[in-house]
Amino acid sequence: GAVVSQHPSWVICKSGTSVKIECRSLDFQATTMFWYRQFPKKSLMLMATSNEGSKATYEQGVEKDKFLINHASLTLSTLTVTSAHPEDSSFYICSARAPTSGRTNTGELFFGEGSRLTVL
Amino acid sequence: RKEVEQDPGPFNVPEGATVAFNCTYSNSASQSFFWYRQDCRKEPKLLMSVYSSGNEDGRFTAQLNRASQYISLLIRDSKLSDSATYLCVVNGLVNSGYALNFGKGTSLLVTP
Repeated sequence: GAVVSQHPSWVICKSGTSVKIECRSLDFQATTMFWYRQFPKKSLMLMATSNEGSKATYEQGVEKDKFLINHASLTLSTLTVTSAHPEDSSFYICSARAPTSGRTNTGELFFGEGSRLTVL
Repeated sequence: RKEVEQDPGPFNVPEGATVAFNCTYSNSASQSFFWYRQDCRKEPKLLMSVYSSGNEDGRFTAQLNRASQYISLLIRDSKLSDSATYLCVVNGLVNSGYALNFGKGTSLLVTP
């Protein structure tokens, strides 16, 4: 099956620093990738949709200047948490939709392994 | 009202038991439905899609009732390895287009 790789798996940083998380689709081209975050014992919450070659579309309540998303190629999207604070500590997961002919809204999503961010 | 609501859980069942999870969704325009499985501190993985006619995959049976906006997952002959969190997922329209909306998940623990 399709593979999505996310890096780093774990990151610990000081408050005020910026952290970049990479998401790569390894064996397919992903025109759209999604970024989720998950707090302990909570559901995955969609943060933004990342479209190759254009600006990301953010969900309500997500600060676009805080969470910078870049989708520069068909296989790579990055999420940068700028000036991280302890409340940004969370599990960040990217996903990419595998291409399905004629039904692009219903293709299976493949998830990266997730990145656990801890801000001290 | 949340987009996707699930049984609160947790479910603790003995090996070999049959267990059922329920889920409701609020957006009647939702197009597709899934059950994902998430192990502790891991990413979610697709367990099965859910179709209106109902579908079965080995010990797992999924049902969808569009009129009631209700989805179910039945696990028969539970195995220890079935212990995980099961996420009810609905593909619906969000601000950025179509994306998956996740329920909070129901935790299952299968004991020897």
